[in-house]
Order: sequence, then C-alpha cells, then structure tokens
Amino acid sequence: GAVVSQHPSWVICKSGTSVKIECRSLDFQATTMFWYRQFPKQSLMLMATSNEGSKATYEQGVEKDKFLINHASLTLSTLTVTSAHPEDSSFYICSARYDSYSNQPQHFGDGTRLSIL
Amino acid sequence: AQTVTQSQPEMSVQEAETVTLSCTYDTSESDYYLFWYKQPPSRQMILVIRQEAYKQQNATENRFSVNFQKAAKSFSLKISDSQLGDAAMYFCAYRNYSGYALNFGKGTSLLVTP
Repeated sequence: GAVVSQHPSWVICKSGTSVKIECRSLDFQATTMFWYRQFPKQSLMLMATSNEGSKATYEQGVEKDKFLINHASLTLSTLTVTSAHPEDSSFYICSARYDSYSNQPQHFGDGTRLSIL
Repeated sequence: AQTVTQSQPEMSVQEAETVTLSCTYDTSESDYYLFWYKQPPSRQMILVIRQEAYKQQNATENRFSVNFQKAAKSFSLKISDSQLGDAAMYFCAYRNYSGYALNFGKGTSLLVTP
C-alpha cells in the first residue's frame, strides 16, 4: 500500500534554532499534503495544506512565518519551524493524498516528536 | 465549518467482548466521507474503516463495523471480539467530498482488559 515517510522521527534542539521536517510519499505522487500538530492526549489539529508548486494554505491562528511549508515536488513537502521555542514542542504529523477529488484516504507519516529545550 | 464530536473520552472493554464508540458530526453537505482512525502508543495513524456518505450500506472490515445514520449525523464504530492490540486512541474524522483535509474529533481512549 501507499507509504508516507516522515523524517526525523524525533528531534531535540535548543531554543532559537530552526528545524526542518520532511514528508515524502514513497510510491505515489501526492498532489496535496497536510501538516497536523498534536499535543499530548489531544486530537490532531490541521496546521496547513500544501499543494505542489503553489503556496501553502494555513489554518487560522497558524503563523506562516513561524511554520514554513514548501511542497517543491509531487513527492516531498517540508515543514520548517523557524526560531523554535519551547512552546513549539509538539508532535507533528504529515499526510498525503494522491488525488484531492478521489475517495482515496490520506496516508499518514509516522510523525515527528519535536522537543525544544 | 464541520464539527466532529466524540462524547466518550475513555472506554473500557474486556477481551473478546464487543464495544461501540460513538461519533456525531455536523455538516450541511450531502456528500462527504467519514473515517475511523486508530492511534496506538506509537502514535502512528492507522485507518480502521471509512464510509462514503452516499452509500447506505454500513462499512465493515473484519471485526470492525460502523453504524452510519446519515439523518442523525451519527457514525459509531463497533469492535467485535476485542483484542488486547485494539487498545489505542480512536479518532473519528470527517472530510468534504471536494477533498479538503480531515476534521478530527477529540478521540476516545480504548482500554482492553484481559
């Protein structure tokens, strides 16, 4: 079945640094990718939707300058947390869709646990 | 905006028994998709079952089945013959037919006891 690879799975870094998370669709071309954030024991909250070759669409309340999303190819989307601070610590999950108008479900990556010291 | 409500923060079931997780949603759309996802402690999101709103027949996947009541906007998940490996967070999710992102409920934590 379709596989989405997310890397890294866990990252710890100092406050003020920038962190890049990659989301790759391994066996299909993803026209749309989604980035979610999940706090402990809470649900997944959509941060942004990225479409290949165009600017990402951010959900209300998500700082686009803090969370930079690039979807440069049909198999890769990246989320960069710029100048990360402890409050950015969270679990970030990406997902990918083959065709936005089909009934195909989203395929999720395994997530990235981000810890900012 | 569509909302998804899971009114049971936690549920418990004995091994081999049956449990039903509830989910209700609010939408003005007539065509849409509904999903149940399982998230074990590893935090991987695993698709359990999905339902297309235009299909009247309830979806089933082995021990997992749904009770889809479109008029009532209800989408419950029934797990039969519960197994220890079924212990996880279960999220109900809604998606517009036009392909927007998933809208998740707050989740139900399922505990399976021997």
